[in-house]
Amino acid sequence: DTAVSQTPKYLVTQMGNDKSIKCEQNLGHDTMYWYKQDSKKFLKIMFSYNNKELIINETVPNRFSPKSPDKAHLNLHINSLELGDSAVYFCASSQGRGQVTQYFGPGTRLLVL
Amino acid sequence: DQQVKQNSPSLSVQEGRISILNCDYTNSMFDYFLWYKKYPAEGPTFLISISSIKDKNEDGRFTVFLNKSAKHLSLHIVPSQPGDSAVYFCAASANNQGGKLIFGQGTELSVKP
Repeated sequence: DTAVSQTPKYLVTQMGNDKSIKCEQNLGHDTMYWYKQDSKKFLKIMFSYNNKELIINETVPNRFSPKSPDKAHLNLHINSLELGDSAVYFCASSQGRGQVTQYFGPGTRLLVL
Repeated sequence: DQQVKQNSPSLSVQEGRISILNCDYTNSMFDYFLWYKKYPAEGPTFLISISSIKDKNEDGRFTVFLNKSAKHLSLHIVPSQPGDSAVYFCAASANNQGGKLIFGQGTELSVKP
């Protein structure tokens, strides 16, 4: 009965590949987020969707494209992976647009070789 | 430009004593503050929050204090327990930012038996 789940948990891939990370929440929330935790441990928001509508889009390379098929899912597709994309990616969700109490998934550890 | 700062990367406390984790912010538009706890290889877990209209919020062993004039908040854990050993992140949000959380870099708390 995991609240926010992400797959895969670990992802090791070569530079130049395209990969996707999936996120699902069963909390009934209508807003979902992607955060990136870099090597310096900073957690930074990348995107946010509310009811499948993009509401936050930080300065992220175009190679990153979020997709929300429904309000319970928010996937992250990354094209042409680069070494600097290596990080931990966290999905989160909250109830209501602008509701700051967010619940996080376990993270996806991406390593680009 | 780091708007939320946790200047102590680590803190070690004896079991049963008080743990005090500090956080400073620079953006006066922040009106909601949260603390998250993170164990290794897991996602951040929401701990406690405080609105800018308050100066204190308490939940069991955890109390958050907000000093708006100093742009400073702190998390007190009393009494500290070995299970509290984790990384603690301070986060802040402004009302008009669609739920965007700005995180500090975290403080690793170690509670020794």
